[in-house]
Amino acid sequence: QKEVEQNSGPLSVPEGAIASLNCTYSDRGSQSFFWYRQYSGKSPELIMSIYSNGDKEDGRFTAQLNKASQYVSLLIRDSQPSDSATYLCAVNRGDSSYKLIFGSGTRLLVRP
Amino acid sequence: DAMVIQNPRYQVTQFGKPVTLSCSQTLNHNVMYWYQQKSSQAPKLLFHYYDKDFNNEADTPDNFQSRRPNTSFCFLDIRSPGLGDAAMYLCATSRESGYEQYFGPGTRLTVT
Repeated sequence: QKEVEQNSGPLSVPEGAIASLNCTYSDRGSQSFFWYRQYSGKSPELIMSIYSNGDKEDGRFTAQLNKASQYVSLLIRDSQPSDSATYLCAVNRGDSSYKLIFGSGTRLLVRP
Repeated sequence: DAMVIQNPRYQVTQFGKPVTLSCSQTLNHNVMYWYQQKSSQAPKLLFHYYDKDFNNEADTPDNFQSRRPNTSFCFLDIRSPGLGDAAMYLCATSRESGYEQYFGPGTRLTVT
């Protein structure tokens, strides 16, 4: 089992729809959870961080964390073609807090 | 604006010819990281510094070395690049272990 799992996609949604990106992780001791957006050929850009169970909203983005189910998700409301990118889920390991474990990413395609 | 800067953005080197990539930060963060990312893969942590404390990942080849002469700067040295070392090299910083990591724009390394 991979430490951080994401569906590779592509996830295709029409413009204006809600895109839902999911991530599961294996280390129950994980404390910090991050979503990065990466455009092709560019570096990852941090878009959300979440540390406690529940929802965290920032503009069109909502991160959801459920530690009991070891599940973190990212919702993008009113999706725009400019949101088309790969979204990387990253999880901080409880036993070595410096290290982020990245998923392989989900490619999102927003159709105009 | 506080930021993470990487130079050069593109580097072409010959097989076996040493190369140095640089990273600087104006965020005054304690932790600096070097990642390698190949196409369609997650970033792979090579090593990190907590202040001047160097930490190597167990699977980082000996061919890769790093220096952090002061808080602001960090260098990645590849002593004898092979064709398999062609990748995007990403520098990241975080205030403390377990907090958000902020990435620089990356250096695309080509080995001929």
